[in-house]
Amino acid sequence: KQEVTQIPAALSVPEGENLVLNCSFTDSAIYNLQWFRQDPGKGLTSLLLIQSSQREQTSGRLNASLDKSSGRSTLYIAASQPGDSATYLCAVGGSQGNLIFGKGTKLSVKP
Amino acid sequence: DAGVTQSPTHLIKTRGQQVTLRCSPISGHKSVSWYQQVLGQGPQFIFQYYEKEERGRGNFPDRFSARQFPNYSSELNVNALLLGDSALYLCASSLSGGTLAKNIQYFGAGTRLSVL
Repeated sequence: KQEVTQIPAALSVPEGENLVLNCSFTDSAIYNLQWFRQDPGKGLTSLLLIQSSQREQTSGRLNASLDKSSGRSTLYIAASQPGDSATYLCAVGGSQGNLIFGKGTKLSVKP
Repeated sequence: DAGVTQSPTHLIKTRGQQVTLRCSPISGHKSVSWYQQVLGQGPQFIFQYYEKEERGRGNFPDRFSARQFPNYSSELNVNALLLGDSALYLCASSLSGGTLAKNIQYFGAGTRLSVL
């Protein structure tokens, strides 16, 4: 059974810092991995998708990497801003076309 | 273009009642998935529908059912509500179903269900 773990559960950083969020999964047979952002009480916003054949994807200040063999992905956020404060969720593509999520990392960026 | 729309935004029900949640996918998307998110947890997969057929089912009891209509919108039904069904119910749409690697799932804002 696929399990997705995100570390840390919560992170607080001062504005301007670069930071890394971690995601690990137990079964390397995934077809893709998505990073999402969720604001309190809201739905999910897709940030980046990495296909199983890819190693990384970039969008603006965000960079996500994927290492299937070790079961790890990282989300790098450069020059963090208070508006980046949210919960970040990692999800891997499962065998039914579903997404299997971690519990998320709650990020707080202090001005 | 409109994103994924869900209705209603909030619902309050009592134990034993039944509820229907609705979802309209992004125009052109043929697959709809449903997820349940309990406070403090990541979303859990309930169903996936593609071309009006069920393509996947998560580990939820038979009280949960869903269907997809010819216009690709979808309904999630939950019977005999329990206190533990209180959650944010999220709908996601994608161009196709299955395990296509470039298949991005786009989520709606969710329906907040409270069972008293």
